[in-house]
Parts: sequence; C-alpha cells; structure tokens
Amino acid sequence: DTAVSQTPKYLVTQMGNDKSIKCEQNLGHDTMYWYKQDSKKFLKIMFSYNNKELIINETVPNRFSPKSPDKAHLNLHINSLELGDSAVYFCASSQDRGGSATTDTQYFGPGTRLTVL
Amino acid sequence: QKEVEQDPGPLSVPEGAIVSLNCTYSNSAFQYFMWYRQYSRKGPELLMYTYSSGNKEDGRFTAQVDKSSKYISLFIRDSQPSDSATYLCAMSPYDKVIFGPGTSLSVIP
Repeated sequence: DTAVSQTPKYLVTQMGNDKSIKCEQNLGHDTMYWYKQDSKKFLKIMFSYNNKELIINETVPNRFSPKSPDKAHLNLHINSLELGDSAVYFCASSQDRGGSATTDTQYFGPGTRLTVL
Repeated sequence: QKEVEQDPGPLSVPEGAIVSLNCTYSNSAFQYFMWYRQYSRKGPELLMYTYSSGNKEDGRFTAQVDKSSKYISLFIRDSQPSDSATYLCAMSPYDKVIFGPGTSLSVIP
C-alpha cells in the first residue's frame, strides 16, 4: 500500500491555465506538507497543514491555494500558471509537526512533475 | 547567506570508497539534524537523524554533528552503486524542516 500518493504524476499544461494536484496519506498522520523542488533539486516548503489547519504558509504567490478537506488529504490548486511554476511538487506527511525528529519524520510522495509551456 | 548550504556536486566515487557529505548552517536554533536520500524521480526518504553533537552510526552510515561549528556530515563506508542518489541534509528548529539543496552522488562499479 502506498503511504503517500499524489495525482497526477506528470502534468503538462499551457501558461495561464488552472490546475490541481491531489495528495492522500494513509499513515494516520496529523500533518501534511507541500514542497516545491526546482531544477537544481532545491526542496522548499510551501505550506503545512496540521489537522486541517494551515500552520505554515511560506512566501508563495496567491495563485497557489492549498485545501485540506480532511487530515488525510491535502490538495494544491494553482491559478494562472506561469513558466516559473515548472518544477516537481512533493506532498509529505508527518505524525506531528516540528519538535522531534522521531515523531516528525516526513514521508514523501512520489512527486508531480509540472511543466508549463 | 542561505540558512543551509551544501555542495551540490556531482560527486563521483568508485565502489568501496568512503564518501563524505557535508552541510553548514547559520541558524543556532536548529536542534534536529537529518539526512534524506532521494533516488532519481522519487521522493526523499529519511536516512538518519540526530539531535545532539557527536556521531551516530547505522550500518555503513555515520552522521556527525558539530553544533559549535554549525557543521554536519554524513559518511558512507564501503559505498555501493545502490548508494547513487541525491543526499539532502535537513534541519529543524521546531516548527518546520529546512532542507539543503542536496549533493548528487554516483558510485561507479
């Protein structure tokens, strides 16, 4: 069974379009994250939700909006896509947030490779 | 200055070599230190973590933290081709994890 799953795995779209990426975890974790990994492999946090509540919101354009319908799901909607949005987007989950690496090991999904043309 | 710095490589070594991967950081608030491994086209996975200065060993892997110098290392002994991946150091003050940019490692048979 996949612990953290994302759909779609690949997404190719035109500039200006709106798209969504879905994430689900079956680990029973309380916290979920969205990360962006650029072409230089730099992994940067975008958002974090704990029990459906937004707890981390890094400096991300308003075009990006996360939605957590329940604590097992965290979706990412992107409006008006731009060329610079091309990257791999990773969803992750952890049992708790911050504090202890023993309870806060982050489990990552396989990534969604977004290409904006 | 970035919070976490890491030489991106690429680093290429022969099978059986000892590999040393390093990160430096600037934030004294970092308390927890982790190494993640990321295979090509996969998500990162936790390799090791520690929260104190000193060494921690797990099989062929040793994580070393020197808080006074704000320097962490990962040593891989008897490196194998299956160790070929990108290694990301990661650190946490409390509320979030900051990742380094990763070092790409290739172990040549």
